[in-house]
Amino acid sequence: NAGVTQTPKFRILKIGQSMTLQCTQDMNHNYMYWYRQDPGMGLKLIYYSVGAGITDKGEVPNGYNVSRSTTEDFPLRLELAAPSQTSVYFCASSPDRPNYGYTFGSGTRLTVV
Amino acid sequence: AQTVTQSQPEMSVQEAETVTLSCTYDTSESDYYLFWYKQPPSRQMILVIRQEAYKQQNATENRFSVNFQKAAKSFSLKISDSQLGDAAMYFCAYRRYANSGNTPLVFGKGTRLSVIA
Repeated sequence: NAGVTQTPKFRILKIGQSMTLQCTQDMNHNYMYWYRQDPGMGLKLIYYSVGAGITDKGEVPNGYNVSRSTTEDFPLRLELAAPSQTSVYFCASSPDRPNYGYTFGSGTRLTVV
Repeated sequence: AQTVTQSQPEMSVQEAETVTLSCTYDTSESDYYLFWYKQPPSRQMILVIRQEAYKQQNATENRFSVNFQKAAKSFSLKISDSQLGDAAMYFCAYRRYANSGNTPLVFGKGTRLSVIA
């Protein structure tokens, strides 16, 4: 049982490049989330999804896009990367039980230079 | 919007001693859920303990326990018999209850705990 799988684990991008962070879960969770973690700032919600075909913005969505075509996959797209997007990105999922919390992926460290 | 405040950016504790990490939150809701997550240097986020707001009894998980004060909107984490493996960043998180389904977790900024041998 893999849980939540994020790829890649590390990536260096040049300013203006684009990339997709992949996230897959095999627990049949309806809810999936993307957060970014910056030093001393905790985790901030970028986008989330309550099920296939449904996504919604979080606190810091600018510069990102998401899609949810299947229950398993929730990729995060960065268009025109900027240095401000240098961060650690976490994908998480949860079932329809509010006391469950999240299962997290192992994170992606992204550096934009 | 709900906010979660962890007022201690860094804490340290001697091995085998007890340490308490503070967390307060701001909400007008009566039904919600609270969590503590641990992030060791490996970066993996690990659920430590959870508390349902409707439960008066404080949650415990082995050496980890919470002091949940609903009126004060306080949710502190106590680690007993601290071990070197407890060294990590600890995040407090809040989730509002909604009839329509799960809401996202709101995280505090974290407390970095060091354990001194």
